[in-house]
Amino acid sequence: GAVVSQHPSWVICKSGTSVKIECRSLDFQATTMFWYRQFPKQSLMLMATSNEGSKATYEQGVEKDKFLINHASLTLSTLTVTSAHPEDSSFYICSAILLPALDTQYFGPGTRLTVL
Amino acid sequence: GDSVTQMEGPVTLSEEAFLTINCTYTATGYPSLFWYVQYPGEGLQLLLKATKADDKGSNKGFEATYRKETTSFHLEKGSVQVSDSAVYFCALSGNTGANSKLTFGKGITLSVRP
Repeated sequence: GAVVSQHPSWVICKSGTSVKIECRSLDFQATTMFWYRQFPKQSLMLMATSNEGSKATYEQGVEKDKFLINHASLTLSTLTVTSAHPEDSSFYICSAILLPALDTQYFGPGTRLTVL
Repeated sequence: GDSVTQMEGPVTLSEEAFLTINCTYTATGYPSLFWYVQYPGEGLQLLLKATKADDKGSNKGFEATYRKETTSFHLEKGSVQVSDSAVYFCALSGNTGANSKLTFGKGITLSVRP
């Protein structure tokens, strides 16, 4: 089946530092990946849509300079949280589309970010 | 815009009980509808989906029927097991091509006791 991995699975960092989270499609090529943020006991909120070789499309209210997304290859997208602050602490989840089923997303296991 | 409303939780059932988790949606056009499940410590997994009205999605004993007239996609299982304990998310996709975005409900936690 379609497997999506994320690295790291959890990270703790100091306020003001930057953190990079990787999302990989392990056994398929993903032209489109999505990044979500999940708060405790709440739903997933879409942050941005990442297309290979082009700029990411951010949802309203998401700071593109704060959350840098790069989709440099068909199997890798990265999310960099720049100058992280405690309010950025959250669970970040990526997903990828496996063609030709454009309406089905396969999710990574998530990355728990804690900013001290 | 699109939205998904799930019943409030959490839900606690005894093993072999009947399960219904309500989900209603608001969307333009003809969305695809999904149920995702998140087991403790794991990522979301697609449980089932339906892409058009009156379709029934089914998997692992779970079923949900796409009801356009009531804009609903309720999840049911006749006999739950302890291993079904998880968080369940209802979602829809506008189905507009490669950039189809998922809109999620808030999720509901199901706990099944032996």
